Amino acid sequence: DGGITQSPKYLFRKEGQNVTLSCEQNLNHDAMYWYRQDPGQGLRLIYYSQIVNDFQKGDIAEGYSVSREKKESFPLTVTSAQKNPTAFYLCASSIVGTNTEAFFGQGTRLTVV
Amino acid sequence: GDSVTQMEGPVTLSEEAFLTINCTYTATGYPSLFWYVQYPGEGLQLLLKATKADDKGSNKGFEATYRKETTSFHLEKGSVQVSDSAVYFCALRRANFGNEKLTFGTGTRLTIIP
Repeated sequence: DGGITQSPKYLFRKEGQNVTLSCEQNLNHDAMYWYRQDPGQGLRLIYYSQIVNDFQKGDIAEGYSVSREKKESFPLTVTSAQKNPTAFYLCASSIVGTNTEAFFGQGTRLTVV
Repeated sequence: GDSVTQMEGPVTLSEEAFLTINCTYTATGYPSLFWYVQYPGEGLQLLLKATKADDKGSNKGFEATYRKETTSFHLEKGSVQVSDSAVYFCALRRANFGNEKLTFGTGTRLTIIP
């Protein structure tokens, strides 16, 4: 079955450490996205990519980095520069050049202690 | 820029009550409109969609009609169940290569009481 896989589901890290969240899709989508969700709040766009080896900053890119070396993969690194990294992170993908829906992974809950 | 305004929550209803969650949007051109649902601790699932004016999206008893004249896409269900308790997000997307990200509303938390 096609879909988006995020791993791990739960992640704990010590303050000051970088951490990388995985996102893989087998839907053959060109576009991929990372969103952050805080308790009781909506989604905020961190980064998005519409083609391999290219990506753009979203609304809250500071303290995060991404890469897009393969069409299927869009890992997100939460760096030590991110002031408040504890949150729920969602990855999504979609077809480019249409106004069709995006498909979401199950999310990664990151807790920094 | 594009924006989506959603009814503030939380919304609490009794089982079998009628549900309406309001959603209005601002966008140029002809966006597609979506309702997503998020259950606790999970990602977003597409609930329904509409791609052009006057289209009605429907799924699992939920409906929403794309009203271009009022720039609205209100979510309705005639008789809610406890299992409908979740957070609901209204969203839009325009086909515009280079800038096609989804624009979301802030979400509405729905709780159904038995």
